Amino acid sequence: NAGVTQTPKFRVLKTGQSMTLLCAQDMNHEYMYWYRQDPGMGLRLIHYSVGEGTTAKGEVPDGYNVSRLKKQNFLLGLESAAPSQTSVYFCASSYSGQGISNQPQHFGDGTRLSIL
Amino acid sequence: LAKTTQPISMDSYEGQEVNITCSHNNIATNDYITWYQQFPSQGPRFIIQGYKTKVTNEVASLFIPADRKSSTLSLPRVSLSDTAVYYCLVGDLRGSTLGRLYFGRGTQLTVWP
Repeated sequence: NAGVTQTPKFRVLKTGQSMTLLCAQDMNHEYMYWYRQDPGMGLRLIHYSVGEGTTAKGEVPDGYNVSRLKKQNFLLGLESAAPSQTSVYFCASSYSGQGISNQPQHFGDGTRLSIL
Repeated sequence: LAKTTQPISMDSYEGQEVNITCSHNNIATNDYITWYQQFPSQGPRFIIQGYKTKVTNEVASLFIPADRKSSTLSLPRVSLSDTAVYYCLVGDLRGSTLGRLYFGRGTQLTVWP
């Protein structure tokens, strides 16, 4: 059981380049999330999805786009990378709980992205 | 957003009980309180979750007072392997309110031999 898998684990980009981070989960979870983690800032929610074909903005969505074409995958895109987007990106998923709030998130091990 | 405030760091010795408190003055009626543990180069891992009073599992206890404006994670008899960053997450995890999730900056717990 792989849980949440993030691809790639590391990447270096030049300013202005684009790339897509892939998140895959095998737990049949409805909800998926993308966070960024910066030193001293904790985890901040970028975008999230409550189901296939739906996405919504989190706390820090600017400069990112997401897509959820399949239930098990959640893609995070950077159209024109900027140095301020250098960070560690975490994907997570959780069960919707059929309306019950107390469903923990399961995290991947992160993608370390550096933008020069 | 239900902002949270935690101590930046704490130190303890092996075998001691550690209590980490999180303040969340703006917690909403439907918000749950969840604690996560994070080791270097790994994603956060769920520890415990609660809504009110006390919750206990095999690794920790969570104490929540009646006004729910704070919560305390209690780790009994810590070991070196408990050295990690601990996050308090407050939020309503239903689909309509997921955008309000706020993790906070975490508490670095260092356990010494």
